[in-house]
Amino acid sequence: QLQLQESGPGLVKPSETLSLTCTVSGGSISSSSYYWGWIRQPPGKGLEWIGNMYYSGSTYYNPSLKSRVTISVDTSKNQFSLKLSSVTAADTAVYYCARHPAKGGSDYFDYWGQGTLVTVSS
Amino acid sequence: QSALTQPRSVSGSPGQSVTISCTGTSSDVGGYNYVSWYQQHPGKAPKLMIYDVSRRPSGVPDRFSGSTSGNTASLTISGLQAEDEADYYCCSYAGSYTWVFGGGTKLTVL
Repeated sequence: QLQLQESGPGLVKPSETLSLTCTVSGGSISSSSYYWGWIRQPPGKGLEWIGNMYYSGSTYYNPSLKSRVTISVDTSKNQFSLKLSSVTAADTAVYYCARHPAKGGSDYFDYWGQGTLVTVSS
Repeated sequence: QSALTQPRSVSGSPGQSVTISCTGTSSDVGGYNYVSWYQQHPGKAPKLMIYDVSRRPSGVPDRFSGSTSGNTASLTISGLQAEDEADYYCCSYAGSYTWVFGGGTKLTVL
């Protein structure tokens, strides 16, 4: 059974960089069949897609966050990571990692991590 | 890229049917057959309920169905049950390898 687990600091200071890692178990992040993505949810609000990446390193970002976001992969550890720079209180959210098919003509996020709350505060 | 528009809340009694709408544009919902729906219970991760507009993943009851008309997608839940009470989010492919979610709808089972 595929599992995704987010990890990283729960508190980040304003103007600093938020860094999170998603560890994938029960499957290979190097599969050509999937993208791997980050989605966030501010407290009491809706979901926002942050970006997707392919195991080869190709990345795709939400235009509204593109200037501050970097998603990268470490295939040796079966992990992918999110960095969001120059954070403000508006970046306070539960951050989820998720899997997305890259082939087969279908579109969805099927496996999700449990989510991790990141608070931006001094 | 603006969030898809969903009603803030809907409600229904057990056994009834409810429909949640998700309105976008011709650049997302209306442009692709790639709308998915997610159920989220409090404190939990979203769960995929419908994908590719109307397809159900294995294990999702056939009480859940999806459709589109123009720039609006809809999720219909028939035979409402207490455990269906949750937040529901739509998501659409928006072109150029980008995706957009709806603002979410709170379903209350009366």
